[in-house]
Amino acid sequence: QQQVKQSPQSLIVQKGGISIINCAYENTAFDYLPWYQQFPGKGPALLIAIRPDVSEKKEGRFTISFNKSAKQFSLHIMDSQPGDSATYFCAASMGVNTGFQKLVFGTGTRLLVSP
Amino acid sequence: DADVTQTPRNRITKTGKRIMLECSQTKGHDRMYWYRQDPGLGLRLIYYSFDVKDINKGEISDGYSVSRQAQAKFSLSLESAIPNQTALYFCATSETPGLGPFNEQFFGPGTRLTVL
Repeated sequence: QQQVKQSPQSLIVQKGGISIINCAYENTAFDYLPWYQQFPGKGPALLIAIRPDVSEKKEGRFTISFNKSAKQFSLHIMDSQPGDSATYFCAASMGVNTGFQKLVFGTGTRLLVSP
Repeated sequence: DADVTQTPRNRITKTGKRIMLECSQTKGHDRMYWYRQDPGLGLRLIYYSFDVKDINKGEISDGYSVSRQAQAKFSLSLESAIPNQTALYFCATSETPGLGPFNEQFFGPGTRLTVL
């Protein structure tokens, strides 16, 4: 079964620090690597996504880094803020050109940014 | 107003009871999904529907059934609830994908289900 392994399970970072969440995948037949952000009581929402032909994508304080040879990708949150406290899910998307884009999610990382 | 709504938001039921979770969307999307979220397991796909007449099983469909009553409505049923179906359930929608760009899935706020 296709899997995406995510670590750490939980993370505490001081305000202004860098939060780093790592994911590793097994199946190479994916089209996109999205990250979802989930606040308590809310559904996940797309934060940022990267294609596998790109090694890095930055949007504001959020950066995805992708290492194809190691089959790993990570989310970096620069200048972390208390408002970033949420659960983050990495995912692998497969089948974007086949009519069904399947998302396989990681297990989630609960981030707490302390004031 | 929320684009994807789920009812109820919280539900406590007993083992053996039938329960239905409902999802409605105003985004005009053709595709709808039901996921289950468990601590330490992430989100897993239960069922998905491409349109009213096209419903497909996901990776964990056993013990669940669905109904697509209209383009905007997709319901998940537990025919005989059991305690290990206690979880957070999410409905999601997406557009019919074209070739190329990633098709974002938009999630509802979730239903927290407890089976005693």
